[in-house]
Amino acid sequence: DVVLTQSPLSLPVTLGQPASISCRSSQSLLSSDGNTYLNWFHQRPGQSPRRLIYKVSNRDSGVPDRFSGSGSGTDFTLKISRVEAEDVGLYYCMQGTYWPPITFGPGTKVEIK
Amino acid sequence: QLVESGGDLVQPGGSLRLSCVASKFKFGNYDMSWARQAPGKGLEWVSGISATGDNTYYADFAEGRFTVSRDNSKNTQYLQMNSLRVEDTALYYCATGYDPGFWGQGTMVTVSS
Repeated sequence: DVVLTQSPLSLPVTLGQPASISCRSSQSLLSSDGNTYLNWFHQRPGQSPRRLIYKVSNRDSGVPDRFSGSGSGTDFTLKISRVEAEDVGLYYCMQGTYWPPITFGPGTKVEIK
Repeated sequence: QLVESGGDLVQPGGSLRLSCVASKFKFGNYDMSWARQAPGKGLEWVSGISATGDNTYYADFAEGRFTVSRDNSKNTQYLQMNSLRVEDTALYYCATGYDPGFWGQGTMVTVSS
């Protein structure tokens, strides 16, 4: 199974400042169809997950443009240009290139300093 | 909208059937997934089913014990869970797509004697 690692696992941030989360895969996520199936999810405390980004860099509908995804192969990054209070919670990367099973990273907890 | 139900307290070795009723979108056009989250833990993919129901996919821990199915005439996805173990205790989410784009609020399954 593809293993995803995230860093950091805990990220204290200052409101209005940028934040960045890394996701690394145990193997390249470039699919034979040319797509890279790496998604990012946000889960606020007590809520269900919400997909933010699909296929590395595509924002889902309604996701603020302060969120951006980048990367290729085995290294991926989620960036928040200016953190807002509603951005706290857990962030997960997920791969869908080699499945089943679809696998998630361990999660990064973002909190306000 | 996705609304899960069927979660309960069950003894080890017991069975449960979860349901997920979809509304406000064309359910029959979507592949669907189940994912779970143990208390205080990360996200874990459980199963996937194609839009027609012809193809099903499982995580290793679910293979042979869990069965996913759907009834497109009822806009409903099911997860039949047999031989439940303590480690199956989790909040079970229904979600659209394999990657998955939209999640329900979840239904809690507790396996304990």
